[in-house]
Amino acid sequence: IAGITQAPTSQILAAGRRMTLRCTQDMRHNAMYWYRQDLGLGLRLIHYSNTAGTTGKGEVPDGYSVSRANTDDFPLTLASAVPSQTSVYFCASSVTSGTYNEQFFGPGTRLTVL
Amino acid sequence: QKEVEQNSGPLSVPEGAIASLNCTYSDRGSQSFFWYRQYSGKSPELIMFIYSNGDKEDGRFTAQLNKASQYVSLLIRDSQPSDSATYLCAVKVRNYGQNFVFGPGTRLSVLP
Repeated sequence: IAGITQAPTSQILAAGRRMTLRCTQDMRHNAMYWYRQDLGLGLRLIHYSNTAGTTGKGEVPDGYSVSRANTDDFPLTLASAVPSQTSVYFCASSVTSGTYNEQFFGPGTRLTVL
Repeated sequence: QKEVEQNSGPLSVPEGAIASLNCTYSDRGSQSFFWYRQYSGKSPELIMFIYSNGDKEDGRFTAQLNKASQYVSLLIRDSQPSDSATYLCAVKVRNYGQNFVFGPGTRLSVLP
């Protein structure tokens, strides 16, 4: 593994189904993030984690949950998917020290909820 | 309030010209500013960051920051068709931890 991986690459999901998007990084970054990207709205933060064992809510957390059991993994769960959750989801990670803390992005998951 | 604004474009420039991309932000206490490039269907990748007033140059790219006016810009000199992408401005705002606020992005098209 080099950098950040996400799975699946794409998924079509029936409304009401449960879905977990996976994210794994091998850079030993403390912080990890989940964004959704919708046309015209840019990247919006869903949830974040500054270190293993802690999580926080971003700008659009409703309908999503996360966990951070270890440094490397940061899964995002949709408990009961709705069509408005159709989007491209990006996972990112960064260090937490200093002013300059570039976020590195995974390749993304394209999710369609019907 | 944590708002970052950009013109959505598309901004079209001829090959070899200078492309100028602008970003304004609302939180006067914002600390660091980042420009990401995103090709269609791909993930964002960092091209520049700046945290002090003035200019910062890296090859064909120059980032400009004016904290008093609350704007940050990205200049691309000698634009190439390969520069055609969406450019995202990201701001590390005060009291938001390590988190960024992203603008909606400006789509740049460099015409051969």
